[in-house]
Amino acid sequence: GNSVTQMEGPVTLSEEAFLTINCTYTATGYPSLFWYVQYPGEGLQLLLKATKADDKGSNKGFEATYRKETTSFHLEKGSVQVSDSAVYFCALSAYNNAGNMLTFGGGTRLMVKP
Amino acid sequence: DAGVIQSPRHEVTEMGQEVTLRCKPISGHDYLFWYRQTMMRGLELLIYFNNNVPIDDSGMPEDRFSAKMPNASFSTLKIQPSEPRDSAVYFCASSTHRRVSSNQPQHFGDGTRLSIL
Repeated sequence: GNSVTQMEGPVTLSEEAFLTINCTYTATGYPSLFWYVQYPGEGLQLLLKATKADDKGSNKGFEATYRKETTSFHLEKGSVQVSDSAVYFCALSAYNNAGNMLTFGGGTRLMVKP
Repeated sequence: DAGVIQSPRHEVTEMGQEVTLRCKPISGHDYLFWYRQTMMRGLELLIYFNNNVPIDDSGMPEDRFSAKMPNASFSTLKIQPSEPRDSAVYFCASSTHRRVSSNQPQHFGDGTRLSIL
């Protein structure tokens, strides 16, 4: 079956530090890959996405590249801000007979200190 | 455009009571999902609907949980009787089309934080 594994948190960084949150996946076929972000007290919001190998998704200074050879979709940001403090979820969607499904990783909490 | 709307935002009740959570999906979306989020288990898919019909309820933890979608603009998740271990944040999400593409991911509501005393 499909699965997503991401690094456990919390990840604590100082403002302007470089961020990497690792995500690897297992899936049949050619999944689409997503990063969602959940700010405190809110629902999940789509941050970025990639639908095929070597695609790079980017948004708000965050980037992730779909690496088929390593089955990875690591999230990176060059300089984090306090406002980036949130929980980040890696997810995949692989077409199957069960319909329109997303498989989520366990989430990684990011805490950015001023 | 209005997003997915959930109510109430917070619910505190005593164990044994019936709890009803409500969700209004984005207009035109034909898929609706109910998730539960806890510290221990993370984000769990409970059930999802397509065109108001439950497709997969294998994630529903017990018979105490039930979900309905009487029409395209409204769904409920009911817990009866409620127990303290049901305390969690419950999210509703909606999407359109059978295959998730980069342009049509799931859209989440802000969730209902449920506390069972």
